[in-house]
Amino acid sequence: GQQLNQSPQSMFIQEGEDVSMNCTSSSIFNTWLWYKQDPGEGPVLLIALYKAGELTSNGRLTAQFGITRKDSFLNISASIPSDVGIYFCAGQLNSGTYKYIFGTGTRLKVLA
Amino acid sequence: ETGVTQTPRHLVMGMTNKKSLKCEQHLGHNAMYWYKQSAKKPLELMFVYSLEERVENNSVPSRFSPECPNSSHLFLHLHTLQPEDSALYLCASSQDFRGEQFFGPGTRLTVL
Repeated sequence: GQQLNQSPQSMFIQEGEDVSMNCTSSSIFNTWLWYKQDPGEGPVLLIALYKAGELTSNGRLTAQFGITRKDSFLNISASIPSDVGIYFCAGQLNSGTYKYIFGTGTRLKVLA
Repeated sequence: ETGVTQTPRHLVMGMTNKKSLKCEQHLGHNAMYWYKQSAKKPLELMFVYSLEERVENNSVPSRFSPECPNSSHLFLHLHTLQPEDSALYLCASSQDFRGEQFFGPGTRLTVL
């Protein structure tokens, strides 16, 4: 079945550093979503991408829909301690279907 | 209340108990979902409802029984669960199948 490879699985960074993470697949997606999940909470939607090549920002977060439609990237600039959490990507294979494939998450830890 | 709410937030039950999880969305969405989140695994889609009609039952054991009395409420009835059913159960909603899914905070279920 389809799966998303999300990397890195975890990372420690210093406060103020930039962070990059990505999701890749052998399948083509029509939509990419990026979520953040804090401990004991549900995922919160950060950014939604709908077109190949699209670059979208939300504050210090920037995400891109890969040109091949098989990958997506999330960058966090000037990280702060509250960026700690797990970041998930989710890809929708066909527009108009409810099925999203979720990555296994990138666990981010920020050292003050 | 705003967004998607879930109750209870934590639940401990024995294998012979019957309990129910409740989800309510205040977003005016037409589709609602139940997901299971286990440690180090991607989110697993369990059930999907569109306009109160079930459109997906993703090979979920019959000890999980969903109910959607209207487009704002979703229940997951639990009976004779197994310890391996312990997980975070997340409810989500979306405007329609094309749209982004918004998650509730989840119910942390422990089966003894």
